[in-house]
Amino acid sequence: EDQVTQSPEALRLQEGESSSLNCSYTVSGLRGLFWYRQDPGKGPEFLFTLYSAGEEKEKERLKATLTKKESFLHITAPKPEDSATYLCGGTGTASKLTFGTGTRLQVTL
Amino acid sequence: NAGVMQNPRHLVRRRGQEARLRCSPMKGHSHVYWYRQLPEEGLKFMVYLQKENIIDESGMPKERFSAEFPKEGPSILRIQQVVRGDSAAYFCASSPFGTTEAFFGQGTRLTVV
Repeated sequence: EDQVTQSPEALRLQEGESSSLNCSYTVSGLRGLFWYRQDPGKGPEFLFTLYSAGEEKEKERLKATLTKKESFLHITAPKPEDSATYLCGGTGTASKLTFGTGTRLQVTL
Repeated sequence: NAGVMQNPRHLVRRRGQEARLRCSPMKGHSHVYWYRQLPEEGLKFMVYLQKENIIDESGMPKERFSAEFPKEGPSILRIQQVVRGDSAAYFCASSPFGTTEAFFGQGTRLTVV
């Protein structure tokens, strides 16, 4: 069965303090690895899709990378508005989209 | 270009009643996923549908829960004889193909009293 594990569960950063979120996956026949951001009381908002090992994508202060076993979401010089839960998910041969439990990020002044 | 629309946003049901949650996918999207989320928890997969077909329902409870995505109209998640443990946020997502990113609606928050 496909599995996605995210770490850490929660992360507290000061504004400007860069860090990385981890997503380990065992998805049979990986077809896509996805990152989403979720704010309290709202639906997840799509951030990135990665399709193959070595691929990288960037958006503002966020950069997502993919290896054969893991994906990382790097946050450079975060701001308080980056505070949210970040979700990682994968789809493969089974076609269904399986998510990890997320990393709750809090960025303080 | 409207996003994924879910309604109602909030639904209160008494124990034993039926709950019907609706999801209209983005235009041109023929794949729909339903997820359940409890507070402080991740998204738990329930069911994956294409128009008129259930592709994967491995996350659906065997009893009381059903889902459909007809040729015309929204996808429906139906919960019969609701119990307090059904209280959660239910999210729908749609994609044009099963292997591409899915876009989520704002969810329906079901409260069973």
